[in-house]
Amino acid sequence: QKEVEQDPGPLSVPEGAIVSLNCTYSNSAFQYFMWYRQYSRKGPELLMYTYSSGNKEDGRFTAQVDKSSKYISLFIRDSQPSDSATYLCAIWNFNKFYFGSGTKLNVKP
Amino acid sequence: SQTIHQWPATLVQPVGSPLSLECTVEGTSNPNLYWYRQAAGRGLQLLFYSVGIGQISSEVPQNLSASRPQDRQFILSSKKLLLSDSGFYLCAWGGTGANSYEQYFGPGTRLTVT
Repeated sequence: QKEVEQDPGPLSVPEGAIVSLNCTYSNSAFQYFMWYRQYSRKGPELLMYTYSSGNKEDGRFTAQVDKSSKYISLFIRDSQPSDSATYLCAIWNFNKFYFGSGTKLNVKP
Repeated sequence: SQTIHQWPATLVQPVGSPLSLECTVEGTSNPNLYWYRQAAGRGLQLLFYSVGIGQISSEVPQNLSASRPQDRQFILSSKKLLLSDSGFYLCAWGGTGANSYEQYFGPGTRLTVT
C-alpha cells in the first residue's frame, strides 16, 4: 500500500466554482500534511501545510485533515483560471516526504 | 530570501552518454537537499537526499549517483544514461529542525534520453 494516494483527475470546473481535492494516507502516525501547486513545466510550490488534524485557511484556500479517516483535502473557493495547475498532496515524516501523484485542475473562464 | 537554481533547463542526451545536473541554493546554510524525478503523469520519486556535505542517502538503486561537494551545491550524475532515465528532475531544499516539513523546489531540468 502506498503511503499517500491521490486521484489524478483531470478535474474541470467553471470559473467561480468551489473545488475539492483529496488524498488518503496509510499511516496514522503521520502529522505534517502539505499541499503543493505545480504549473506546467515548473517546479512545485508549497501552498499550505497543516499539522495534525483540523482546518487551516489562507485566502481562498482551505486545507483540512481528518485523522480518523486518514483523509486530507484542499478546498479552493471562487476558483480562477489562474488556479489551473496540478495539485500535489504531501506528507512529511522524519526527513522523508511522501507525495501523491497529483490532481490536474482546469478552471474554465 | 532563499533561491534555488538548477541547470540546464532542458537536455537531450543519447543512450549511454554521461549526465551531470547541478543545483545550487542561495540564502540559507546547511539545508537538507533532495533530488526527485517526476515521470510524465506520475508523482515525485525521491532519488537522493543529503543532510550535509558528503552525506548522501539513496532511496532508489539505479544507475544514478549524487554528490554534495559544497554546503549549497548538489549534483546528480550518471555514467551511462538509459531510456528510462527520461523525466523531469527536480532539486529541492528543505528546512531543518522545527521547519523540517518545509520543502522548496527548483525550476527543474527536463531530460530526454534518445
